[in-house]
Formats: sequence, C-alpha cells, structure tokens
Amino acid sequence: GENVEQHPSTLSVQEGDSAVIKCTYSDSASNYFPWYKQELGKRPQLIIDIRSNVGEKKDQRIAVTLNKTAKHFSLHITETQPEDSAVYFCAALGNEKLTFGTGTRLTIIP
Amino acid sequence: GAVVSQHPSWVICKSGTSVKIECRSLDFQATTMFWYRQFPKQSLMLMATSNEGSKATYEQGVEKDKFLINHASLTLSTLTVTSAHPEDSSFYICSAREPWRGNGYTFGSGTRLTVV
Repeated sequence: GENVEQHPSTLSVQEGDSAVIKCTYSDSASNYFPWYKQELGKRPQLIIDIRSNVGEKKDQRIAVTLNKTAKHFSLHITETQPEDSAVYFCAALGNEKLTFGTGTRLTIIP
Repeated sequence: GAVVSQHPSWVICKSGTSVKIECRSLDFQATTMFWYRQFPKQSLMLMATSNEGSKATYEQGVEKDKFLINHASLTLSTLTVTSAHPEDSSFYICSAREPWRGNGYTFGSGTRLTVV
C-alpha cells in the first residue's frame, strides 16, 4: 500500500518568515495530494491540494509543489502569522484511499 | 460544501461496554465513507472503508469483530466499538468523498472516546 513520509515533525518559525514542509510518497499511481491543517481536538481542514497533472498551485500565502518523478510534494507558507500555528498533514490518494503523513507541528513565534 | 455530521463529539464509557458513533452526510449521498482513528500526537490511520449496502473493508490489523461498521443508507454510517478497553481510547473521525469536488474529501468533527 501507499506510504507517506513527512518532515520535519516539528517546525518553529519566526512570525513573517516562511515555512516549508516536505512529503514523499511511494505509490506512483497516487494522483491527488491534499494538505490539511488540524487544530487540537478538531477535524482536519483542507488548506490546499494538487493533482498529479499539475506541478505547482498557489493560494494567497500558501503554495504546494509536486515532483511526480521524485514522488515529492511540499507545502510552502509565506509571511507566517500566529494563527498558522497548528499541526499540518500531507496526504496521498491512491486506490480510493487517503494515506496521511505523520504530521508537522508548526509553531509561529511572535 | 459537503457537510458530514458526526456524533457524539465525545463519549466516556466503562471498560467492556460498547459505543456507537454515527456519521451522516447532510447534503449529499455517500455510498462510501471512511473511518479513521487518531491517537494523541499521531496521524490519522484508516481503519476501514464503509460501503453502502455491503460489508465494510477493513485495513490490515483492524479487528472487524471489534469495530463493527454498518452503512445501511446512503447518508449514514455507524462505527460500534464493542467490548471497549482503555487502549481503544482515541479520536475517531469519519470521512466521505465530496461528490462535486472530484477527489475532495470532507471530514466529520470527530469523536473523542475515553474508556475508563
């Protein structure tokens, strides 16, 4: 089955700086890669996603890049704000199933 | 967007008892729903895929006799944790595919289960 690795597990960033979280996946048939933000005790919230026929997607301060050849995809958050502090999960969709990465706890330092 | 309602949001039960968690799609029909379990500070792990009108498909290592899934209608899937033990304490979340967003998935609000 699919295996998704995510790094780093924790990340502290000064407010206003950029944050980058990276994921790799194993199943070349996976074709959809969402990123979720989860606050404590809450459901995951989709923040951005990318499909396998696209290399990059941007939505205001958030961008995702995908390298299908290397099976890498990354989340980029620019101009970070305190409300960006949360746990972020990448995921890969293959065979109708979403497999999640291990998560990154992002802390924005005011 | 698509809304999935999950109840209860939290439940405390005694060891050995059973607990039922409901997941409803409010504004769309979901022939397939997914059940995840999330332990503290860990990721979401898929437990099983719930299929309307047929048996659920369980992931490797998940006991089907312990985690009973019923998907009797196009809008309701239930997960029953039978003979619960403290190690079953976790955050359980259901999910369904949004019918008008291609590959988009929407999640229920989750159920915090504590077994004492």
